[in-house]
Amino acid sequence: EAQVTQNPRYLITVTGKKLTVTCSQNMNHEYMSWYRQDPGLGLRQIYYSMNVEVTDKGDVPEGYKVSRKEKRNFPLILESPSPNQTSLYFCASSFSQTLNLNYGYTFGSGTRLTVV
Amino acid sequence: AQSVTQLDSHVSVSEGTPVLLRCNYSSSYSPSLFWYVQHPNKGLQLLLKYTSAATLVKGINGFEAEFKKSETSFHLTKPSAHMSDAAEYFCVVSLGGGADGLTFGKGTHLIIQP
Repeated sequence: EAQVTQNPRYLITVTGKKLTVTCSQNMNHEYMSWYRQDPGLGLRQIYYSMNVEVTDKGDVPEGYKVSRKEKRNFPLILESPSPNQTSLYFCASSFSQTLNLNYGYTFGSGTRLTVV
Repeated sequence: AQSVTQLDSHVSVSEGTPVLLRCNYSSSYSPSLFWYVQHPNKGLQLLLKYTSAATLVKGINGFEAEFKKSETSFHLTKPSAHMSDAAEYFCVVSLGGGADGLTFGKGTHLIIQP
C-alpha cells in the first residue's frame, strides 16, 4: 500500500530533550515536506526537500532541523524542544514538486507532540 | 505569492441538506487547487483537485468543487450531507516550487446536525 508513515503517533517530552520524528514514504517520491498544524492557524510548512540532499526552509523553520540522506526518509529533528513546539505535525510527499500540478500530495497520519 | 481564504471557520448543516464550504484564493499564476479533509484524530485525505482541466471537479464521497477564475473561488459542495462528513476541511493552493508549493487555508469545521 502506498503511504507515508510517521512515528511516533504521540509523544510527550520535556523541554530541552532532543527528539526525532521519523517520516518514510514507499512511493519513490522526490518531494517531501513537514508541516505543523495549530488551532486557528491551519498548516504551516516547516521544511521541505526537493530530492536527496536538497532541503530548504519553509515558513516556520526555527527550532527544527531535517535531513534527506535517502529518498524515502525525511526525519524531523528538534534539538532542544520548547513548549511552543507543542503541535500536531504532518509529513507529506509528492512525486515531484516542480511537476506537481497533476499530482496530489500524500500525508502521513500525524504526530501529536507535547513538550512540557 | 499565493494565499487562500476559507470564508467560514465553522459551518453547521442538517443531515440531508446541501453543504457549501467557501474558498477564495489569490495567485499570480494559474494555480492547482485542492480540498483535503481531516477527520478527528486522523491524517489529511485528498478529496479532489483542480489542475487546469475541467472547471467542475468531482471528488470522493459525493463532493465536488467548481473553479471560477473570474471570482478566484474554489467552493466545495455536496448535495446531501451525511453524519460521516463531520470533519475539518482545508482548501489548498499550489503553484509548485519550494516553499510556496502548498498554501493551506485555516480550515472550516463542518458540523452535521441530526
